[in-house]
Amino acid sequence: GQQVMQIPQYQHVQEGEDFTTYCNSSTTLSNIQWYKQRPGGHPVFLIQLVKSGEVKKQKRLTFQFGEAKKNSSLHITATQTTDVGTYFCAGPGGGSNYKLTFGKGTLLTVNP
Amino acid sequence: DAGITQSPRYKITETGRQVTLMCHQTWSHSYMFWYRQDLGHGLRLIYYSAAADITDKGEVPDGYVVSRSKTENFPLTLESATRSQTSVYFCASRGDRGTGANVLTFGAGSRLTVL
Repeated sequence: GQQVMQIPQYQHVQEGEDFTTYCNSSTTLSNIQWYKQRPGGHPVFLIQLVKSGEVKKQKRLTFQFGEAKKNSSLHITATQTTDVGTYFCAGPGGGSNYKLTFGKGTLLTVNP
Repeated sequence: DAGITQSPRYKITETGRQVTLMCHQTWSHSYMFWYRQDLGHGLRLIYYSAAADITDKGEVPDGYVVSRSKTENFPLTLESATRSQTSVYFCASRGDRGTGANVLTFGAGSRLTVL
């Protein structure tokens, strides 16, 4: 079945450093979504990318969808302590467009 | 209040007991999902439902039962709990159409410990 792989599993940075997490799918995706989960919280939707090569920005966060629609990345510029949490990518799969398969997530910790 | 709510938030039970986790959403979303979250495994889909009385297995359905007699409720039952089912369980729903059609909204989670 479809697999969504995410690296790195963990990333520790100093406040102000940049951070990037990468997501790769074993199959072409119609769209990819990113979620953030704060420690002790629940996943919260950040963004959805649909078009090949699409780039979207949310303040210090930049999301990219690969040309082949099989990979994606999330880049955070100048991390802040409020960025701490686990970032998940997710794509539709399993033969259905309404089921999401999640990557295992990247846990970001930020040292102030 | 509008939204998606899960109960109980915390539950401790013993091996072999039946446990039901409740999920209620107020948006009349057709699609609802149950995920479990474990360290090192991320979020894994247990069961999902496309509408009332329509349910289907996800990635890890063994040991779980679901029902969906009403659109707004999607309870998850562990008929005979095992220690391996100790986890955090998240219910989610998604919109049917428009810009939010693909987006999942998660409940706050139910932390289950099986002793």
